[in-house]
Amino acid sequence: GAGVSQSPSNKVTEKGKDVELRCDPISGHTALYWYRQRLGQGLEFLIYFQGNSAPDKSGLPSDRFSAERTGESVSTLTIQRTQQEDSAVYLCASSPLGGTLILSKNEQFFGPGTRLTVL
Amino acid sequence: TQLLEQSPQFLSIQEGENLTVYCNSSSVFSSLQWYRQEPGEGPVLLVTVVTGGEVKKLKRLTFQFGDARKDSSLHITAAQPGDTGLYLCAGVPPLVFGKGTRLSVIA
Repeated sequence: GAGVSQSPSNKVTEKGKDVELRCDPISGHTALYWYRQRLGQGLEFLIYFQGNSAPDKSGLPSDRFSAERTGESVSTLTIQRTQQEDSAVYLCASSPLGGTLILSKNEQFFGPGTRLTVL
Repeated sequence: TQLLEQSPQFLSIQEGENLTVYCNSSSVFSSLQWYRQEPGEGPVLLVTVVTGGEVKKLKRLTFQFGDARKDSSLHITAAQPGDTGLYLCAGVPPLVFGKGTRLSVIA
């Protein structure tokens, strides 16, 4: 598989539960991004990882959201004590060069997303 | 907060028609990208524009970056049902996406 993969593809959970979403980036891509896309909306930047640098967490909406990445491999996005407003598609993207300021050299390859529904 | 405003939000046209969608901001961007997203999938990059006034063509799609690098447009000639999808623009810095234009081309 050459593309970005995400799991699960769908997750239904109850309000107050914790959820963990997984992203497998394209091998060799140094940068990894998480976005949230609410129904009918555009993409909302959440967090960005670049190699071993400290992640850019400026888009995380609350302290219930956190993410980790081990080296240049898998990333997990964790949402604690989920709320109904967290319902959305969570998209992951990876990029070979990274750098939020170097968009001209920074094609992001997106996964299919995880659709999270909080009841 | 820098925002990218996209218009129109929704567009439904007949096959063969031409259309233009817009991406506007009050802020200057170093570069801007256009993506297309189909239902159930992630966005796919169409083009990156980096120079004010730049025009790029991709088959029936023409992308233009405004002279002041605050806005961009996407023009589609003779739209096809396969053009249906959500068109998103993204600019840096900082990394920000617009809400998109949802295009439906009816055969």
